[in-house]
Amino acid sequence: DGGITQSPKYLFRKEGQNVTLSCEQNLNHDAMYWYRQDPGQGLRLIYYSQIVNDFQKGDIAEGYSVSREKKESFPLTVTSAQKNPTAFYLCASSINYLEIPKQGVRGYTFGSGTRLTVV
Amino acid sequence: AQKVTQAQTEISVVEKEDVTLDCVYETRDTTYYLFWYKQPPSGELVFLIRRNSFDEQNEISGRYSWNFQKSTSSFNFTITASQVVDSAVYFCALSEAETGNQFYFGTGTSLTVIP
Repeated sequence: DGGITQSPKYLFRKEGQNVTLSCEQNLNHDAMYWYRQDPGQGLRLIYYSQIVNDFQKGDIAEGYSVSREKKESFPLTVTSAQKNPTAFYLCASSINYLEIPKQGVRGYTFGSGTRLTVV
Repeated sequence: AQKVTQAQTEISVVEKEDVTLDCVYETRDTTYYLFWYKQPPSGELVFLIRRNSFDEQNEISGRYSWNFQKSTSSFNFTITASQVVDSAVYFCALSEAETGNQFYFGTGTSLTVIP
């Protein structure tokens, strides 16, 4: 079955360290996204990529970096410049917007998330 | 301006009660798509429904029903005879032609069903 795999599920980072969160999908989706979720809050967009080798900043990109070298992979690096990195990170993917009206299309598919804690 | 507003931050109901989660959206596009997702305590968002802007027919799926009204830009979600397993955070989302693949999420409504 196709889906999105995020790893690790839990991650601990020391202050001042960079850390990379993995996101892999085998759905053949063009677009991929990274969201941050803080306790009791909604989803805030960090970065998104519509196509390989191209990505755009979302609402809260400062202190984060991404790459999209392969269609299947969209890793997120939380750098030491991110002042408050402790949060729940969700990766998502979607087909091209023009495909959404087709029967059975569900919009975004989400990974199970990575909970990052700075210690 | 917030494109998707979920004014109810937290709701608590007693098991078997009906509950409606509100969603109000804002868009200038004539073609757009609305979604509801459920986030259980495990964290993964689970797709519940997609509604196309050009189809105003309301939908029922078991205990779940959705009321889409373009006149009031609302896409409300009702759970009938709520159960403890319905306890989760529910997100409403909008996808519009102007921004293509990017979704706009509401801030979510946390539903607690008390046994």
